[in-house]
Order: sequence, then C-alpha cells, then structure tokens
Amino acid sequence: DTGVSQDPRHKITKRGQNVTFRCDPISEHNRLYWYRQTLGQGPEFLTYFQNEAQLEKSRLLSDRFSAERPKGSFSTLEIQRTEQGDSAMYLCASSLPLGQEFEAFFGQGTRLTVV
Amino acid sequence: DQQVKQNSPSLSVQEGRISILNCDYTNSMFDYFLWYKKYPAEGPTFLISISSIKDKNEDGRFTVFLNKSAKHLSLHIVPSQPGDSAVYFCAASVNTDKLIFGTGTRLQVFP
Repeated sequence: DTGVSQDPRHKITKRGQNVTFRCDPISEHNRLYWYRQTLGQGPEFLTYFQNEAQLEKSRLLSDRFSAERPKGSFSTLEIQRTEQGDSAMYLCASSLPLGQEFEAFFGQGTRLTVV
Repeated sequence: DQQVKQNSPSLSVQEGRISILNCDYTNSMFDYFLWYKKYPAEGPTFLISISSIKDKNEDGRFTVFLNKSAKHLSLHIVPSQPGDSAVYFCAASVNTDKLIFGTGTRLQVFP
C-alpha cells in the first residue's frame, strides 16, 4: 500500500469556478478526514467519514463546501464558487482505530490557489 | 477557543542533543494524542501517538510523555539530527473522532 493519495497536487482556479479534489485512503482504513491548512496555522478540521457516513462537518464550513465518500473508499471534496479566501492546502487523512492505538495518516495535500 | 496549544513557535537545538517540544490542552475529554512532523508543501507525517491510559510511549528516537493532571504532553527527540528540522504539530482527539491541532513548533537542528 502506498499510503493516502490525493489528486491533484496543485490546482489554480479563477474566482467563481468550482473545484473538486480526490482522496484515496489507505485501503483498510474506515475513517477518512478532510482538513485545510493555511500558512502559519495548524490543520483545521473540515469533515470526516466513517465508511460512507459523514459523521461530522465543521460549523465554520461554508455551504459552498461539500464532501462525499459514496462507497466508503475514496472521497471527493468540492468547493463551489471559489473565493480567494479558499486558497490553502487541503489535506486528507485516514485511520483505522484499533483498541488503544490511534494513528491517522495524511496524504501529500492539494494546494489550491484562487486567482 | 484554542483547545490545543503549542506556546513555543520555534526551537533551536544542536545536533546530538535532546529536543523537547511541548503541547498543552484544555479539553479533559481528549483521550488520544498524536505528534506529526511537517515539511513545507507536504502533508503531515505521523510520528507517534499515546492514549490517555498511558503516560509514556516510545518509538526509536521519539518518546511522548503525557501528564493528564497538568493537561500537558511533550515530545522528546534523542539524539536530534539535522533531518529532524521541520514544523512539529501536536493533535488531540476524543474517542478517535476529529483531530484538533496546535499551531506548531518549528524545530531547527544545527550542526
């Protein structure tokens, strides 16, 4: 297994356009998380799934953001009508909590630039 | 409300010496704590974790200590190497739900 994979690695888009990012988690992991990170800050939680169920979505998240994990495997994050403030690194992570162990692994991220 | 705090934005350590990175939290419900290393333009790399039923966990050069009464954890790196230079984030979770991250500490290991 090659770990968590995100596509694309970089995306430049014009303000007002829609963008979609994809995340492929580690194959046996049932939990999948989306985070956003801006310069000088820690990753900020957006939403997470257990299998195909979206368990939580950040209250700070605009309605322009939506995420899906239709078959409990890969996930997509869509941003509609992008704004310059959406420019950030979008990170995906996956985990398989087992007993006393909890390890969550991140992908390389998608760098979004809205111009 | 910053539930996870890393009060030192930067730390400089000589190669071979010990690096100690600190993290404080406010939510007593947190029961899992994780440390990550991050290089620019890359995703965070998982280093080590600890559950609240333990007070210490070791993995090679990395040891995490948890002091629940003080709501404090620390990451020790011994011996420090130049390749350890990166930004380190601590993160906490309740029942393996979402991770709440601190703002990070930039570690520089110099020769």
